Amino acid sequence: NAGVMQNPRHLVRRRGQEARLRCSPMKGHSHVYWYRQLPEEGLKFMVYLQKENIIDESGMPKERFSAEFPKEGPSILRIQQVVRGDSAAYFCASSPLGQGAVVDEQFFGPGTRLTVL
Amino acid sequence: AQTVTQSQPEMSVQEAETVTLSCTYDTSESDYYLFWYKQPPSRQMILVIRQEAYKQQNATENRFSVNFQKAAKSFSLKISDSQLGDAAMYFCAYRSGNTGNQFYFGTGTSLTVIP
Repeated sequence: NAGVMQNPRHLVRRRGQEARLRCSPMKGHSHVYWYRQLPEEGLKFMVYLQKENIIDESGMPKERFSAEFPKEGPSILRIQQVVRGDSAAYFCASSPLGQGAVVDEQFFGPGTRLTVL
Repeated sequence: AQTVTQSQPEMSVQEAETVTLSCTYDTSESDYYLFWYKQPPSRQMILVIRQEAYKQQNATENRFSVNFQKAAKSFSLKISDSQLGDAAMYFCAYRSGNTGNQFYFGTGTSLTVIP
């Protein structure tokens, strides 16, 4: 059973370009979480999605950021018109269980390191 | 929102010795889960140990154990017989048992293991 896959592992963009980060959850997992890790900081929650639904986007910046998890294919975190402050490591985690579950471990992907020049 | 505090940005330990990493958290909830994650230079997040708040017994995983003090809202990680491979960033994390599934992470402790 392959783990959580993220690609690309490294992404370089110039200011104003778009960044697309992909996350394929573990097989059988239908819940995906995105976190951002700024340098020298811990991971900060961004968004929680199930297939075709955004459950909690309370950690997402209001502008330029969007996320989706379609019925088929990976989850996508999209950042439009990137700025230098978007440079960070973006982690995806997946879980087989959802809200209300007794306990659900989140399995993390290796992250995508975004660098904005 | 819940907050997780790790007051030790850096720690070091001699190989084969024991080290304790501190973590405190703030919550008004009674049902929650606590985790320690390890992040080596590869940046992969690896679950080390977890604790359910309703359990009084401290969790143990081989050389890793926790000291969970619910009243004090403290959740420290003890690493016994430290090995060179234990060198990494360690993050303490909190997850509510009631509302949502997001993790709240501390800022991390960088552990160096001295040969």
